[in-house]
Amino acid sequence: QSALTQPASVSGSPGQSITISCTGTSGDVGDYNYVSWYQQHPGRVPKLMIYDVTKRPSGVSYRFSGSKSGNTASLTISGLQAEDEADYYCTSYASTGSLIFGGGTKVTVL
Amino acid sequence: QVQLVQSGAEVKKPGSSVKVSCKASGGTFSKYAFSWVRQAPGQGLEWMGGIIPTIDISNTAQNFQGRVSITADESTNTGYMELHSLRSDDTAVYYCARGMVRGVVILGMDVWGQGTTVTVSS
Repeated sequence: QSALTQPASVSGSPGQSITISCTGTSGDVGDYNYVSWYQQHPGRVPKLMIYDVTKRPSGVSYRFSGSKSGNTASLTISGLQAEDEADYYCTSYASTGSLIFGGGTKVTVL
Repeated sequence: QVQLVQSGAEVKKPGSSVKVSCKASGGTFSKYAFSWVRQAPGQGLEWMGGIIPTIDISNTAQNFQGRVSITADESTNTGYMELHSLRSDDTAVYYCARGMVRGVVILGMDVWGQGTTVTVSS
């Protein structure tokens, strides 16, 4: 099963909104509402930011939101802050029963 | 608050096996799964597989089928991942994580262990 496709990098200025895309196929993102997003700062453990496409775990800022259209899921960070600079990974459940990760997106706050 | 504590760093020879443990404490684990994710140096995250301890159902990613054993001891809330026939490109940080479960499906991971560094070198 191929990895989900994410842009290698996305950047924005403080206060702006950015969106990270995660493109899969009808066998994963398109067929299931089981997309999750993770934030990972350098040298740190990944942190769950969004699950089930749109749900935010307790403690995650409202500035993070998720959506999906067809085979593409998206993570939007609004009111971009310096602390949001990190790597972001999407995952989706796939028809094989596995979880598939995206290649990761480096977010830079200008 | 559930915490996952993994075993310590390992250095292994090519062709050998490594077994990493992950003990859950501080809360219930009965409705969750142990998932295993690895990250090679400078690379992204890769899901290896997972197990639902209460019903002993596991699933392994295609890339690791035949080479990884994922087990759990429900009585001690501990998960295990054993990787066989190690190669140099298995050098990575191996994470265990608590996976959310829907029926028999293992989904996103909401609690992560601290990671175990496995180095494969002759």
